[in-house]
Amino acid sequence: NAGVTQTPKFQVLKTGQSMTLQCAQDMNHNSMYWYRQDPGMGLRLIYYSASEGTTDKGEVPNGYNVSRLNKREFSLRLESAAPSQTSVYFCASSEAGRPNSPLHFGNGTRLTVT
Amino acid sequence: DQQVKQNSPSLSVQEGRISILNCDYTNSMFDYFLWYKKYPAEGPTFLISISSIKDKNEDGRFTVFLNKSAKHLSLHIVPSQPGDSAVYFCAASEGDSNYQLIWGAGTKLIIKP
Repeated sequence: NAGVTQTPKFQVLKTGQSMTLQCAQDMNHNSMYWYRQDPGMGLRLIYYSASEGTTDKGEVPNGYNVSRLNKREFSLRLESAAPSQTSVYFCASSEAGRPNSPLHFGNGTRLTVT
Repeated sequence: DQQVKQNSPSLSVQEGRISILNCDYTNSMFDYFLWYKKYPAEGPTFLISISSIKDKNEDGRFTVFLNKSAKHLSLHIVPSQPGDSAVYFCAASEGDSNYQLIWGAGTKLIIKP
């Protein structure tokens, strides 16, 4: 059972380049999330999708776009990467959007923007 | 302004002893609290949670205590085992939504053999 799969695991971009982070879950979960983790800070929500066909901004959405391609897949796009976007990105899913429906995380993508 | 604070970046505990990880919060409207555990190069995994209507929740070796008046949450691990070495995050939610989870910065727990 793969759970939540993220690709790629590592990526180095130059300032201004674009890329898409891919995420897929095989647990038939309704809700999906993109977080970033920076040193000395908690996880911060970038975007989420409460259900297939919907997406909403989280705490730090600027510079990012998302697509909920289908129930399984939720991608995160950086249109013009900036050094401030250097971070570890985590995709997560949950059966429902309630706090008692725990999040299941992928193993992360470590992104460096030079 | 961090609403959820884990003031100890790291904690070292002898194997077999009790590990106590602490978390403080400022928002009195938080009503659901969770602990996640993270190993290197992996994503966080859910460990245990507690609703604000309770003051304690147990799951095997793990117990979470909630002191609402002090706005303080703690995770007790008894006895501590080498596999417990990881980063522990607390998170808090206001209202019935995962979309408003606020996370602490994490505490790295090291279990010494």
